[in-house]
Formats: sequence, structure tokens, C-alpha cells
Amino acid sequence: AQSVTQLDSQVPVFEEAPVELRCNYSSSVSVYLFWYVQYPNQGLQLLLKYLSGSTLVKGINGFEAEFNKSQTSFHLRKPSVHISDTAEYFCAVSDGGSYIPTFGRGTSLIVHP
Amino acid sequence: GAGVSQSPRYKVAKRGQDVALRCDPISGHVSLFWYQQALGQGPEFLTYFQNEAQLDKSGLPSDRFFAERPEGSVSTLKIQRTQQEDSAVYLCASSLGPLGGTDTQYFGPGTRLTVL
Repeated sequence: AQSVTQLDSQVPVFEEAPVELRCNYSSSVSVYLFWYVQYPNQGLQLLLKYLSGSTLVKGINGFEAEFNKSQTSFHLRKPSVHISDTAEYFCAVSDGGSYIPTFGRGTSLIVHP
Repeated sequence: GAGVSQSPRYKVAKRGQDVALRCDPISGHVSLFWYQQALGQGPEFLTYFQNEAQLDKSGLPSDRFFAERPEGSVSTLKIQRTQQEDSAVYLCASSLGPLGGTDTQYFGPGTRLTVL
């Protein structure tokens, strides 16, 4: 079974600074990778996903992530954050062919003015 | 149209009570998932429906948990004889196609269940 590690439970950052949220998963032959954002009192919203092809994936709200197979990582980045990016971010992984994603524990991104 | 909706948004139950949580998926979506999200954790899979068929219930933590989707649209998650460890946010998600491993899942806002 897959496992997902989000090493940082909280990431504080100042507005307009760059940010990276880290995600590592246990090894598998083929995986699908996802990043979701959860705003307070709302459901999860898909930011981006990697299924195959280019390892650099661009998503909504200016976020992007890079799939690194050798390091089994899928880190999320944004070059310049806004106050409105303050939220909980979840990395999720499913084995190729499985419809059941395994989620990480989440990283709370806190953007300060 | 509207997204995934869930009701109630908040539910407080006394230990031992039965509860029913409702999910209205996006119209026309074939796949429906239930997840449990404990405080400070990511969502954990409970069960999966393809239309009215419950194809996977491997994540249900005990036989006190029961889910149905009788007409292939609205789904209900029922928890009998609630226990304190059942306190969590219960999330519902739907996706357009069957076996939504690659499909985008659309999540509802969740039902926060507190068992006293």
C-alpha cells in the first residue's frame, strides 16, 4: 500500500515570497499524483495532477509541481504567494490502476502580510 | 450547476445514537466516494460507488458503518451506535466516469460529526 509523507505540518511565509510544500511517497512502478487545497470550512479542491508525460505540471492559482521518480517526490511550488493562498494543502497518491488515493497529513500554509 | 453538497454540515450525537449523513453528488457523476478525515489528518477512503453499486467498502472501519446509493445519485452514510472515535469530518466526493483513478474528484464541504 502507498504511503505519503508531508514533512512540514506548517509553512509560514510572507506575502509575495516563493514557497515549496514537500511531498514524498513510497515507491511504486507507476503512480498518479495529486495536490489538493482545502480552505476553512470547505471541501478539497484539486490544484493539479500528474498522470503521465511531462514531469512539470502546472495547476490553478499559479501553482506547479514537479514529479521526480528517482526521489519519489512531488513537491508543490509557487513563485509568489498571496494572502488568499492561506489554506491546508494535501498531497495524494494512487497506484496506477487504483481509484483509491492515499492522502498525506496535510501542510498548513500561512501567508503573512 | 451546483457542486457536491452534504447535509447536515454539523452533527452532534450522544454515544450510542445512530446518525445518517447525506451526500448529493454532481448530477450525472457516475462515481461517488466517502472519506473520513480525523482532526489533523488527511482524508481516508471509506467506500466507493459506481452508480448504485457499492464496488468497494474496504475502508469502512466496522460493521457499524453502512453506505447506500439506491438510485445512483444521492448517497447516505449511516453510522450505528456511534462511538467517540467516530468523531471526524466525513467527506463525499464524486467524479464523472467510472473507476475514477484519473478523473478529478469533486469534494463536498463535509459533515463534521462530534460524538459526546
